[in-house]
Amino acid sequence: SQQGEEDPQALSIQEGENATMNCSYKTSINNLQWYRQNSGRGLVHLILIRSNEREKHSGRLRVTLDTSKKSSSLLITASRAADTASYFCATDDSGGGADGLTFGKGTHLIIQP
Amino acid sequence: GAGVSQTPSNKVTEKGKYVELRCDPISGHTALYWYRQSLGQGPEFLIYFQGTGAADDSGLPNDRFFAVRPEGSVSTLKIQRTERGDSAVYLCASSSTGGYTGELFFGEGSRLTVL
Repeated sequence: SQQGEEDPQALSIQEGENATMNCSYKTSINNLQWYRQNSGRGLVHLILIRSNEREKHSGRLRVTLDTSKKSSSLLITASRAADTASYFCATDDSGGGADGLTFGKGTHLIIQP
Repeated sequence: GAGVSQTPSNKVTEKGKYVELRCDPISGHTALYWYRQSLGQGPEFLIYFQGTGAADDSGLPNDRFFAVRPEGSVSTLKIQRTERGDSAVYLCASSSTGGYTGELFFGEGSRLTVL
């Protein structure tokens, strides 16, 4: 089963613009992670935000977490062509449910030069 | 090695055949995970090992799927009597922290095609 649900499914923007992707989930969590996947490659960890954190930055990435709404957003500022990839949020289930770290279906981001 | 290594990178087999997929995790990582990813979907959890034991195998779809990690390092995912619906990319990940609360390091995946 997939707990996370990213929105939008696809996003195309011009290089230099900011890209925002959203993630909604269903259960209580310990933390939420964002991963990136280039076409035909494995996933690469971007950032982890804990359930008691509201915002976190890493370079051009900004992640927010709203546990009351069970949602998170990933903002990529000053986008580059190399940011073209699929982005996934992943959550655990703090209630001890099974299914491991569960991923959403992803947002496919295209940065047009 | 420097990262998670998966072999083969591509495997084409016929319906009904037996397949083994291998994962070599990052040295020292005690936690190892198998995921399956279909086209246009996110990774779907299959099984999690802590050391040599399967701590959570709730994601294995049926008894045709089995995974082992006999020495707590390399893991093999085994699929018996393959079906066309098993076609997917099988991803392996490892972690130093274990559980589901830390960063996972993924391999490039093994693409399985069942004809």
